[in-house]
Amino acid sequence: GIQVEQSPPDLILQEGANSTLRCNFSDSVNNLQWFHQNPWGQLINLFYIPSGTKQNGRLSATTVATERYSLLYISSSQTTDSGVYFCAVFNDMRFGAGTRLTVKP
Amino acid sequence: DTAVSQTPKYLVTQMGNDKSIKCEQNLGHDTMYWYKQDSKKFLKIMFSYNNKELIINETVPNRFSPKSPDKAHLNLHINSLELGDSAVYFCASSQRVFGEQYFGPGTRLTVT
Repeated sequence: GIQVEQSPPDLILQEGANSTLRCNFSDSVNNLQWFHQNPWGQLINLFYIPSGTKQNGRLSATTVATERYSLLYISSSQTTDSGVYFCAVFNDMRFGAGTRLTVKP
Repeated sequence: DTAVSQTPKYLVTQMGNDKSIKCEQNLGHDTMYWYKQDSKKFLKIMFSYNNKELIINETVPNRFSPKSPDKAHLNLHINSLELGDSAVYFCASSQRVFGEQYFGPGTRLTVT
C-alpha cells in the first residue's frame, strides 16, 4: 500500500509565526486531504487537494503529485491552530501519523 | 445542522458486553466509513459502504459488524468487547468512493 509520511512530528511555535507542514507519499495519488484535529478531538476538513494550490484565509496547501508531496502552510499562527494536522491519501485509505502543532501565546 | 452525527459521544462498558454506535449523515452522500483512532492518534480505516454495499473490509476482528440500513446510516456493532477495543471511533461520509470525506464528532469507547 501507499506509505504516507508527515513531518515534522512535533512543532512548537510562538503566536504570529508561520509554519510549513509536509506530507510525502510513496505512489501516485488522485485524492489527498488535509485535516486538523483540534484539542477536543474533532476532525476538521481543511483542504481536499489532489493537485495544485488552494488557499483559505491564513491557511494554504499545495500538492505536487508528480513529486509525491503536499505542503500545508499556516501563516500568522494563533493559539486556536493548536492540535494535530493529518494528511490522508484516499486511494489507499491511509492517514499519515500527523504533525502535532502547539502555538504558544 | 450537523452533517455527520454519531451517537453516543461517550461509551463506557465492561469487557464481554455487546454495544452499538450509530452514524447518520444528512449530506446526501453515497459512501460512508468507519475509522478507529488509537491512543497514539493513529487513524485506520475499518469499513466502507457505498450505496449500502460493503466495499472495504480491512483486517478487523469479526466481532465488529457494520450495518447500513440505508445510504444515510452506517452503524457499528461490536460483540464481546475487549480492553483493546478502547479507542475513538469516527464515522465519515463522501459523495463518491474515495472522494472528499467529512467526519463525525467521534465516539470515545472505554472498555473496563
